[in-house]
Amino acid sequence: AQKITQTQPGMFVQEKEAVTLDCTYDTSDQSYGLFWYKQPSSGEMIFLIYQGSYDEQNATEGRYSLNFQKARKSANLVISASQLGDSAMYFCAMSQIFGNEKLTFGTGTRLTIIP
Amino acid sequence: GAGVSQSPRYKVAKRGQDVALRCDPISGHVSLFWYQQALGQGPEFLTYFQNEAQLDKSGLPSDRFFAERPEGSVSTLKIQRTQQEDSAVYLCASSRGGGSGYGYTFGSGTRLTVV
Repeated sequence: AQKITQTQPGMFVQEKEAVTLDCTYDTSDQSYGLFWYKQPSSGEMIFLIYQGSYDEQNATEGRYSLNFQKARKSANLVISASQLGDSAMYFCAMSQIFGNEKLTFGTGTRLTIIP
Repeated sequence: GAGVSQSPRYKVAKRGQDVALRCDPISGHVSLFWYQQALGQGPEFLTYFQNEAQLDKSGLPSDRFFAERPEGSVSTLKIQRTQQEDSAVYLCASSRGGGSGYGYTFGSGTRLTVV
């Protein structure tokens, strides 16, 4: 079974500052994928970034980077130079690499960017 | 279509009523998933199809929930004798399959309110 833990229910960050959203995971799978999704108030789930367990380098996508520490089972999301449009719910999730691709989500972190 | 389409966008049902939620995945996507997202929570897996085969229904909360994908494209999630605890957003996602959850596309969801 897979489990995702997000311990920050809410965060407030000043515009243009960097922010780190915490995520720890637990799994018995040898190969797995880690994901971050953004969910604005409109409700759609927007894919942000992906990290495979076998990837040695941390994933980056524009202003998003994933700080992957395999030994600590953590996959924190770093958003650089935050913008007002970054205000949303953020979910960490994981899945198997092969076979059933179902995602296991955390409870989310509500990020609010302050102008 | 260009994205995953879900209908209706909103549904209000009286307790005890049957409802049917539709998901139209991206053309050619082999895998289709249903998730239930209660207010303030992360999405929780309900069921998974690969083409027309329902490979995992372990997340369906009771035998009142039933999902089908008879021709391997459009899927319907049916809830019989709705209860208040069924109130949630129901998200559908599709992917090309064959690997990790990378490449998922989510629909905008159906918000079900049982009164």
